Amino acid sequence: ENVLTQSPGTLSLSPGERATLSCRASQSVNNNYFAWYQQKPGQAPRLLIYDASTRATGIPDRFSGSGSGTDFTLSISRLEPEDFAVYYCQQYAGTPRTFGQGTKVEVK
Amino acid sequence: EVQLVESGGDLVPPGGSLRLSCTTSGFTFSAYTMNWVRQAPGKGLEWISFIDRTSTTRLYADSVKGRFTISRDDAQSTLYLQMNSLRAEDTAVYYCAKGHGPGSYLIDQWGQGILVTVSS
Repeated sequence: ENVLTQSPGTLSLSPGERATLSCRASQSVNNNYFAWYQQKPGQAPRLLIYDASTRATGIPDRFSGSGSGTDFTLSISRLEPEDFAVYYCQQYAGTPRTFGQGTKVEVK
Repeated sequence: EVQLVESGGDLVPPGGSLRLSCTTSGFTFSAYTMNWVRQAPGKGLEWISFIDRTSTTRLYADSVKGRFTISRDDAQSTLYLQMNSLRAEDTAVYYCAKGHGPGSYLIDQWGQGILVTVSS
């Protein structure tokens, strides 16, 4: 199983600041089959980034993904009030598909 | 607009069974892979099952293998999850999730989720 470890667990930032979230895989992720999801309280997750760096339909360009192999990053260039949420990384190259444990981005 | 609506969640005793349904609309169901993902209260996301377009390939997480069965009815545009031998640790919100394309393993849309509680 490809274990994904996200850091930090919690990120305390102010609106307008830049957020950088990391995810490290225990094994290389083939084909960069790597995604990021956003989840707000009481809601289903929403796809933000797939194939490591492709923004999903309707996702603002302040969200960007990068990385390959075992190290991946989600960046939010300028935090908007609606961006405070929990973010999960996921690899979908192997079985089982695995998620990271999540990074909570909270208001400082 | 893509819609995924789960139903069938309930309170069941340990050892019991339950079948979840996911009724879909807004896309050609038969053309897409589908998944189930769950989230225990206050915890993270756990992928538990995948089915391809033809039901030829069905994949399961080790935590549910041999107890849960994924299936689909393309005529009804509905996804199912048969859950047997339920345990307390199966308590979670269960999400139906749509694949990104015909052979895709990526999840691009989620239902609102349904709560399953396993308790005596």
